[in-house]
Amino acid sequence: KQEVTQIPAALSVPEGENLVLNCSFTDSAIYNLQWFRQDPGKGLTSLLLIQSSQREQTSGRLNASLDKSSGRSTLYIAASQPGDSATYLCAVGFQKLVFGTGTRLLVSP
Amino acid sequence: EAGVVQSPRYKIIEKKQPVAFWCNPISGHNTLYWYLQNLGQGPELLIRYENEEAVDDSQLPKDRFSAERLKGVDSTLKIQPAELGDSAVYLCASSPGTYSSPDTQYFGPGTRLTVL
Repeated sequence: KQEVTQIPAALSVPEGENLVLNCSFTDSAIYNLQWFRQDPGKGLTSLLLIQSSQREQTSGRLNASLDKSSGRSTLYIAASQPGDSATYLCAVGFQKLVFGTGTRLLVSP
Repeated sequence: EAGVVQSPRYKIIEKKQPVAFWCNPISGHNTLYWYLQNLGQGPELLIRYENEEAVDDSQLPKDRFSAERLKGVDSTLKIQPAELGDSAVYLCASSPGTYSSPDTQYFGPGTRLTVL
């Protein structure tokens, strides 16, 4: 059974810092890995999708990497802003996504 | 383009009462998902539809939960009777992908259910 773990559970940084969120999964036979953002009281917004044949994806200040052999993915956020404050979730799977418990990020001005 | 629409956004009921949630996916999206999200946890899949067919309902507690997707568009998730432990956020998502070509899932805002 696939299990997804995210560390840290919560992170607080001052504006402008670069930061890394971690995601690990137990079964390396994944198809896709996605990073989502969830704002309080709202649904999830997809940030990046990495297919199993890829090693990384970039979108603006976000960069996600995937290392299937070690069962890890990282989400790098450059020059963090207060608007980045949210919960970040990673999920692995084909159609049935298995989610981690998320990292709650707070970026203070 | 409109996103995934869910209603109601909030629902408070007493235990043993029935409740239903409605979802309208993004136009043209073949695949529809219902997830349950408990506080502080990631979403967990309840059921997945490909058009009007439920292709994965292994996580749906069938003794009290039911779902339908008539005409392969809108979907309804029902709980009868509701229990205290059903209090959670129920998320609907859709994707344009099919079984052979999965794609990004787009989520609605969810329905927050409180069972008293």
